[in-house]
Amino acid sequence: DQQVKQNSPSLSVQEGRISILNCDYTNSMFDYFLWYKKYPAEGPTFLISISSIKDKNEDGRFTVFLNKSAKHLSLHIVPSQPGDSAVYFCAARYGFNQGGKLIFGQGTELSVKP
Amino acid sequence: GAGVSQTPSNKVTEKGKYVELRCDPISGHTALYWYRQSLGQGPEFLIYFQGTGAADDSGLPNDRFFAVRPEGSVSTLKIQRTERGDSAVYLCASSLRDARGTDTQYFGPGTRLTVL
Repeated sequence: DQQVKQNSPSLSVQEGRISILNCDYTNSMFDYFLWYKKYPAEGPTFLISISSIKDKNEDGRFTVFLNKSAKHLSLHIVPSQPGDSAVYFCAARYGFNQGGKLIFGQGTELSVKP
Repeated sequence: GAGVSQTPSNKVTEKGKYVELRCDPISGHTALYWYRQSLGQGPEFLIYFQGTGAADDSGLPNDRFFAVRPEGSVSTLKIQRTERGDSAVYLCASSLRDARGTDTQYFGPGTRLTVL
């Protein structure tokens, strides 16, 4: 039972344009959502997060949107740069008081073409 | 400051052997997590330590897997009688788990385990 899903295994975008990565979840008990970026042979690097009580969080070129009624979140990168090319994982956290383990999606490989 | 470190970076072993994977968390981080990532998948939770105790080991796949964190810092993941299906990248993460509850987990580079 996949509680966090990233339905697009890959995405290709032109440099300077917007990248939109999507993530759906099923469990309404998740209280925090995070995006991680992963380069080959490295561990996931934290990018940005959002609490379930908010609908938007922005950090520089990265913005995460949360739609709780649709159980959907998205990561917007604008403008996209070739260095953004990596695999992006969406993760959802069980409540802080439940230990905080993360449930990850399968990842979306982003390729930004110069 | 130093991030999470994991050793070895690569481990090749034969079916049936015993392996130990080590994780050094970020200094001061009280929470430590182990995840396993198979090819083409996202990381899957194995076990969580708060201090020295395993607070949640619900992700360990069977009793061949065991982890310790005796002094509340370094952790070792131990796998007995390895099987080919154990081949994966084993990731360790740590977090501060402070009162604010933000609790961002920071990952190490992982140990790639290959069981022949």
